[in-house]
Amino acid sequence: DAGVTQSPTHLIKTRGQHVTLRCSPISGHKSVSWYQQVLGQGPQFIFQYYEKEERGRGNFPDRFSARQFPNYSSELNVNALLLGDSALYLCASSSRREETQYFGPGTRLLVL
Amino acid sequence: EDQVTQSPEALRLQEGESSSLNCSYTVSGLRGLFWYRQDPGKGPEFLFTLYSAGEEKEKERLKATLTKKESFLHITAPKPEDSATYLCAVQAPTSGSARQLTFGSGTQLTVLP
Repeated sequence: DAGVTQSPTHLIKTRGQHVTLRCSPISGHKSVSWYQQVLGQGPQFIFQYYEKEERGRGNFPDRFSARQFPNYSSELNVNALLLGDSALYLCASSSRREETQYFGPGTRLLVL
Repeated sequence: EDQVTQSPEALRLQEGESSSLNCSYTVSGLRGLFWYRQDPGKGPEFLFTLYSAGEEKEKERLKATLTKKESFLHITAPKPEDSATYLCAVQAPTSGSARQLTFGSGTQLTVLP
């Protein structure tokens, strides 16, 4: 069975640009969460979507936005990129909001 | 605010030398405690979920236990392939309807042959 997939795997952007990251959950999973992981730290919660509705948002600026599509895949958008946005962006899916979250391989974003 | 503290930050073991990793947490009401393994540059790989104090789970050389304030990940006779960063996370009720995970900073384990 396919796990959580994310694209692209790596991305290089310059300050001020916009980026879109994509995630496909495990088949049958309806909840998708996004996390940001900077080097040496644990992942930090950005968003959770369940049944295509935003269920929660972490302590991130409005430059970060996301959405979930009818097939439960999801996009994370970041506008006006800053150097500090360089990180590993992780997507996790679960069958319901409160159940075990399974992570994808992540997208490594470098902002120059 | 939910807090998760993992110790030690780094641990070096000889192959076969058993040890334990600690995860201390402060939450208003625990819904679940999760252990993940993360290899460099990859996403976290799920290991265990624990829901209540006294619960224990095992998988190969790993055993996770839970008390009301902390969790331990015991590694018995580790092998070099067990080298990774081990992350602990808690899921607790929030003011909204999200069920996000709050992670510790991880313990970087190195097992030497």
